[in-house]
Amino acid sequence: QSVLTQPPSVSGAPGQRVTISCTGSSSNIGPGYDVHWYQQLPGTAPKLLIFSNNNRPSGVPDRFSGSRSGTSASLAITGLQAEDEADYYCQSYDSRLSGYVFGTGTKVTVL
Amino acid sequence: QVQLQESGPGLVKPSETLSLTCTVSGGSISSYYWSWIRQPAGKGLEWIGRIYTSGNTDYNPSLKSRVTMSVDTSKNQFSLKLSSVTAADTAVYYCARGHNFDYWGQGTLVTVSS
Repeated sequence: QSVLTQPPSVSGAPGQRVTISCTGSSSNIGPGYDVHWYQQLPGTAPKLLIFSNNNRPSGVPDRFSGSRSGTSASLAITGLQAEDEADYYCQSYDSRLSGYVFGTGTKVTVL
Repeated sequence: QVQLQESGPGLVKPSETLSLTCTVSGGSISSYYWSWIRQPAGKGLEWIGRIYTSGNTDYNPSLKSRVTMSVDTSKNQFSLKLSSVTAADTAVYYCARGHNFDYWGQGTLVTVSS
């Protein structure tokens, strides 16, 4: 029932830059609701990676950055490292559903 | 450091009610939204609903008819009840804080099976 669409997978070699898109609509990302990003390592709970579109919580490396434009958002990982291999989810608020919505999730593979 | 811990039965029979509690430690439960989120094995995250410390709630429309949330500020706890469960409700259930889920519990697996 995800209303935010992400690519199922992205991959890159160590040191490369990868981006993950998050496509929403006029009832969530479009009106300006904040987008947040989470990293989920295998077998663990998701961890907040980027909040309010482009802010990093304390302790998150600056290799991770976020942006939002129109009805979409993106997460970029520069200088890809083996430890970045995980699932990534975007999240926002949807006014039509009057609740939070998650993206479909993207698996990042480090080649 | 704020910590969240889910607790409750790991096995629930079909048609019965799933009940979970999230205990918040290292900080006050007051003045925040608190959410329940679930994740079936190998699948994505699904927001179930949220409760404010005043007791106001918002639920995912797809689950609204079966969900009830409550909060006990004296115990720094909030709870989830999901009625008439089926195998499709088998998932890891997480509790989380705020609009941007800055703190999460470790998750608890709930299996629906007879």
